[in-house]
Amino acid sequence: DIQMTQSPSSLSASLGDRVTITCRASQDIGNYLTWFQQKPGKSPRRMIYGATNLEDGVPSRFSGSRSGSDYSLTISSLESEDVADYHCLQSIQYPLTFGSGTKLEIK
Amino acid sequence: EVQLQQSGPEVGRPGSSVKISCKASGYTFTDYVMNWVKQSPGQGLEWIGWIDPEYGSTDYAEKFKKKATLTADTSSNTAYIQLSSLTSEDTATYFCAMGTSWGQGVMVTVSS
Repeated sequence: DIQMTQSPSSLSASLGDRVTITCRASQDIGNYLTWFQQKPGKSPRRMIYGATNLEDGVPSRFSGSRSGSDYSLTISSLESEDVADYHCLQSIQYPLTFGSGTKLEIK
Repeated sequence: EVQLQQSGPEVGRPGSSVKISCKASGYTFTDYVMNWVKQSPGQGLEWIGWIDPEYGSTDYAEKFKKKATLTADTSSNTAYIQLSSLTSEDTATYFCAMGTSWGQGVMVTVSS
């Protein structure tokens, strides 16, 4: 199975900060990487697919990038509504595997 | 608009089974596989498996092969997951997901 190592597990940042969350894949997953945002009590919402493609309706302050086996989600300027858990998912191979999640809070 | 409407919260006794539904609308049910995902309290997401509603074919993550059974009823556009031999480890929220759409999740509590 492909392991997705996500870091950090939690992150506290100030409004307006640039925030980056990373997932490292244990095997080559190409660009089969999705980022989800999950707010308390809600279902996950797809934010980024194909590692770098922004889902319709997602604010442009969100972006996805790839460097080798490291995949990153970046928020260029943190807003209060971005407080949530973030999860990465690889979908190149079954079983699908998620990262362990990152809890993002406002400092 | 694609909608996945899941059934309500469940309480199951240890050793028993529960069955959760996910009613799909807004698309052709048989055109897409339905995935199921588990989220234990305060934890991350785990993929359970998928079902192809057209053929009834399924695939499961290894740890769920003896725990979960996925089925689908094409007459009602509804997918189901049955969880058997419940233990405290099965206490979690279970989501159905198709493409970018997710159900609202069903909380399953295992309690005597």
